[in-house]
Amino acid sequence: DAKTTQPTSMDCAEGRAANLPCNHSTISGNEYVYWYRQIHSQGPQYIIHGLKNNETNEMASLIITEDRKSSTLILPHATLRDTAVYYCIVRPKTSYDKVIFGPGTSLSVIP
Amino acid sequence: GAGVSQTPSNKVTEKGKYVELRCDPISGHTALYWYRQSLGQGPEFLIYFQGTGAADDSGLPNDRFFAVRPEGSVSTLKIQRTERGDSAVYLCASSPTGNYGYTFGSGTRLTVV
Repeated sequence: DAKTTQPTSMDCAEGRAANLPCNHSTISGNEYVYWYRQIHSQGPQYIIHGLKNNETNEMASLIITEDRKSSTLILPHATLRDTAVYYCIVRPKTSYDKVIFGPGTSLSVIP
Repeated sequence: GAGVSQTPSNKVTEKGKYVELRCDPISGHTALYWYRQSLGQGPEFLIYFQGTGAADDSGLPNDRFFAVRPEGSVSTLKIQRTERGDSAVYLCASSPTGNYGYTFGSGTRLTVV
């Protein structure tokens, strides 16, 4: 399985955009990029996923580079409730295979 | 139900005892996954079911751990002869057919004393 690399931690001012990077240089052509987040004492929460086009939903935007070797999760207006650990994962498109979580990025939104 | 339900939310047991952890997935979700998470780490995969069968149990750490899903819905994770190192939060997730994200439960915090 392709692996991902994320910064260990990041800070973001409340109300500003939070841009969380992820490197996945060994991603295969049939693998999607998924993002989850985990707020303290809760289970991980699915945020968004994409293959090669940029994606947007009510929670976030996902920007994937043209070569698909990296991506950025964007929280457009971070709030204190967005403080969480964010996990970037790659996973085959047509598979129920297990999702492998790395250590993720611990995002702190600061008032 | 509206979400994935895990019971109990907390379980304290003595070393050497047997425990069962239950997961009620979202109705209609065919795939069910078990993970465990230690403090400060990401979730670690244990086992996943497609329907009633265990499609991948490669993450089970040893033969003290076993999981079942007899009717393709509720699943039970069973741990025999518990050890202090088994203390963790045990997470369950389910997923429908197709390429969707998982929905996780809130987990069961297991403490072995």
